[in-house]
Amino acid sequence: DAGVTQSPTHLIKTRGQQVTLRCSPKSGHDTVSWYQQALGQGPQFIFQYYEEEERQRGNFPDRFSGHQFPNYSSELNVNALLLGDSALYLCATNWFRGAGTDTQYFGPGTRLTVL
Amino acid sequence: AQTVTQSQPEMSVQEAETVTLSCTYDTSESDYYLFWYKQPPSRQMILVIRQEAYKQQNATENRFSVNFQKAAKSFSLKISDSQLGDAAMYFCAYRSFYTGANSKLTFGKGITLSVRP
Repeated sequence: DAGVTQSPTHLIKTRGQQVTLRCSPKSGHDTVSWYQQALGQGPQFIFQYYEEEERQRGNFPDRFSGHQFPNYSSELNVNALLLGDSALYLCATNWFRGAGTDTQYFGPGTRLTVL
Repeated sequence: AQTVTQSQPEMSVQEAETVTLSCTYDTSESDYYLFWYKQPPSRQMILVIRQEAYKQQNATENRFSVNFQKAAKSFSLKISDSQLGDAAMYFCAYRSFYTGANSKLTFGKGITLSVRP
């Protein structure tokens, strides 16, 4: 049973650049949520995708955007990078209608460093 | 809006001993889910235990159990027979019940647990 996967593992960018992070859901899952985790803090919800649409969004600027593909995988895009965007980006997935839809399973994360 | 508070930034326990990690939350909802996640240095967020607010019985998973006090909005995690592999950051998280699967997790700031051999 394949778990949640994310790529890349690490990424270094400079201010003003754009970045794309990728997530493949756990087998059988169709809903993808993205979280930002600053060093020493708890994860903060960015947004959630289901049926290729953004269903819910946290308190993040429009520089953060996403996409979900027909195979349920997802991308997180961040434009005009700021130093404060340096964080661990976590992807979490679940099955919208099945038993246990209340539990989200997390990927290993992508560590983004903005210089 | 819901909030989750973990007021102890760090805790330490002797191997084989028992430790309790505290969490309080604030919500106006009557039905919801509560979770404890473990994040070791490898960064992978791992589900430890889950509690449904409509169940009075406290959840248990092997050496892990919770003390869920709904009226007090308290949700503590007890780790029995602590092992070196339990050393990690532990996060308490809240999820609303009524919004269905489309619902975010709200996390606390986490507690760093160290285990002394």
